[in-house]
Amino acid sequence: GIQVEQSPPDLILQEGANSTLRCNFSDSVNNLQWFHQNPWGQLINLFYIPSGTKQNGRLSATTVATERYSLLYISSSQTTDSGVYFCAVGRVGGSQGNLIFGKGTKLSVKP
Amino acid sequence: ETGVTQSPTHLIKTRGQQVTLRCSSQSGHNTVSWYQQALGQGPQFIFQYYREEENGRGNFPPRFSGLQFPNYSSELNVNALELDDSALYLCASSGWGDNYEQYFGPGTRLTVT
Repeated sequence: GIQVEQSPPDLILQEGANSTLRCNFSDSVNNLQWFHQNPWGQLINLFYIPSGTKQNGRLSATTVATERYSLLYISSSQTTDSGVYFCAVGRVGGSQGNLIFGKGTKLSVKP
Repeated sequence: ETGVTQSPTHLIKTRGQQVTLRCSSQSGHNTVSWYQQALGQGPQFIFQYYREEENGRGNFPPRFSGLQFPNYSSELNVNALELDDSALYLCASSGWGDNYEQYFGPGTRLTVT
């Protein structure tokens, strides 16, 4: 099946720093989403980005589908950005609701 | 617009028992998927329901079953609970068509003792 690899697994930043999270995937996808999981377990939608570039405030994301990777940029990080960031993909030809998740990047932002 | 809701929030069961978890999809969504997230792992796809029928299943045994109702809400049933079934169970909903974006509920945390 499709493989999803996220890097780095852990990231510690000082407040105000910038960071880039990477997601590599091994097959063609028709869905790619970035989520932030808060301490209570809720998955918050950040981006739906099977291709192209999007921005939302301090966050932006780029997916290069032909090269099978996506990047999530966090600028001017804040302590509230702490948590686990997941990349999840849907395989072409798979069930619409079948997202394959990476293992996540655990981000800690220190004041 | 109402988001995805799940109940209960927490649940403690004994090995061998049966459990039912519930999910209401986001308004306007007709597809519901269920995921299991073990501690420290990413969520894993259990199955998806569309038009009240199972439409895709992950690598989970038959004791994991589900239902979808005419109002698109859904249930996840797990029989003969095992200790390894302890996890966060997440429900997601989406529309059907070109936009595949999934929206997740807050989850039900199941503990099996």
